[in-house]
Amino acid sequence: GESVGLHLPTLSVQEGDNSIINCAYSNSASDYFIWYKQESGKGPQFIIDIRSNMDKRQGQRVTVLLNKTVKHLSLQIAATQPGDSAVYFCAEITQRTGNQFYFGTGTSLTVIP
Amino acid sequence: DAGITQSPRHKVTETGTPVTLRCHQTENHRYMYWYRQDPGHGLRLIHYSYGVKDTDKGEVSDGYSVSRSKTEDFLLTLESATSSQTSVYFCAVGTVLNTGELFFGEGSRLTVL
Repeated sequence: GESVGLHLPTLSVQEGDNSIINCAYSNSASDYFIWYKQESGKGPQFIIDIRSNMDKRQGQRVTVLLNKTVKHLSLQIAATQPGDSAVYFCAEITQRTGNQFYFGTGTSLTVIP
Repeated sequence: DAGITQSPRHKVTETGTPVTLRCHQTENHRYMYWYRQDPGHGLRLIHYSYGVKDTDKGEVSDGYSVSRSKTEDFLLTLESATSSQTSVYFCAVGTVLNTGELFFGEGSRLTVL
């Protein structure tokens, strides 16, 4: 089966610092990756995505980096704010799985004021 | 807000009883999904639908059935609930094949005693 995992289950950062959340995947055929944010008691929210033909993509305060050589994905959050405290999931999809998304177990980010 | 409503939001039931969770959307998205979320497992796909009366199994479909008789409604049924089906269930909707922009509902917490 697919394996999409996170390096660390929890991460604490000081407000204003940058955060980096990592994710490893096992399927070299994965061609699309997504980061989701889930706040306590709510459903996941889409943050940013990246296709396998890219190695970097930037959004508002977030950057996703993809290293296909080592099958590693990271989410960087600039100037982390208390509102960024949440669980972050990476997910991957491959052509062969059609519309099935495989999610990792998540990293819990805590922002210290 | 993708106009997704899940009901009920909380339910406690006994082993062996049938349970139906409802997902209602107002945005006319083609694809609808049911996920379960458990500690240590992240989000796992149960079933999904790619149109009215068109459904397919996900990675953890045993013990669950779904129906989609209208574009806006996707029902998840546990014919005979078991304690292993205690979980938080999320409905998600999307429009474009193979993109990650799934919109999630707020979740339904099911406890099977």
